[in-house]
Amino acid sequence: DAGVIQSPRHEVTEMGQEVTLRCKPISGHDYLFWYRQTMMRGLELLIYFNNNVPIDDSGMPEDRFSAKMPNASFSTLKIQPSEPRDSAVYFCASSLATGQKYEQYFGPGTRLTVT
Amino acid sequence: GDSVTQMEGPVTLSEEAFLTINCTYTATGYPSLFWYVQYPGEGLQLLLKATKADDKGSNKGFEATYRKETTSFHLEKGSVQVSDSAVYFCALAGSARQLTFGSGTQLTVLP
Repeated sequence: DAGVIQSPRHEVTEMGQEVTLRCKPISGHDYLFWYRQTMMRGLELLIYFNNNVPIDDSGMPEDRFSAKMPNASFSTLKIQPSEPRDSAVYFCASSLATGQKYEQYFGPGTRLTVT
Repeated sequence: GDSVTQMEGPVTLSEEAFLTINCTYTATGYPSLFWYVQYPGEGLQLLLKATKADDKGSNKGFEATYRKETTSFHLEKGSVQVSDSAVYFCALAGSARQLTFGSGTQLTVLP
């Protein structure tokens, strides 16, 4: 079975441009998480969805960030406009809400560089 | 709120040395506990887990025991290999669905 798929793997863009990161969760999983990882701040949870509905977006840094999940197999994280301080690795993860199986499965990440 | 405190790194060991990475947690109720590993340039992978007190999770020679009395979940391996070089994250799943991660511990194993 395929794992979590993220695209693109690398993105380089100029300050002020719009950036869209994409994620396909593991089939059948009903939770999806977006994280950001930097050396300075470590791993931060940005937002998570349950059955395509956003549950907690308190980690989204500011209004420039938005996330959607139009269906069970696709989610996007958009940054508009992008800034150099948004440079980080962004991970998507998914999990299945059965019993105590809270483990999350991570994608390979998108390395974003904003110049 | 929930929190995880991990042993600060980096940790450098010689091949075949014994590894311990300390992890303690604060949570209400009975959280599930996890160790994740991140190899260079990759996402986090679940290494092992424990869902109740006294459970021992194990995988690839790594072990960790859920100690409720000391609120700890220390990671151990008897003989590390160069291929174990990675960043290790301790995490818990409490009352909410999201995982709370520790800050990560960089492990380097020298041949």
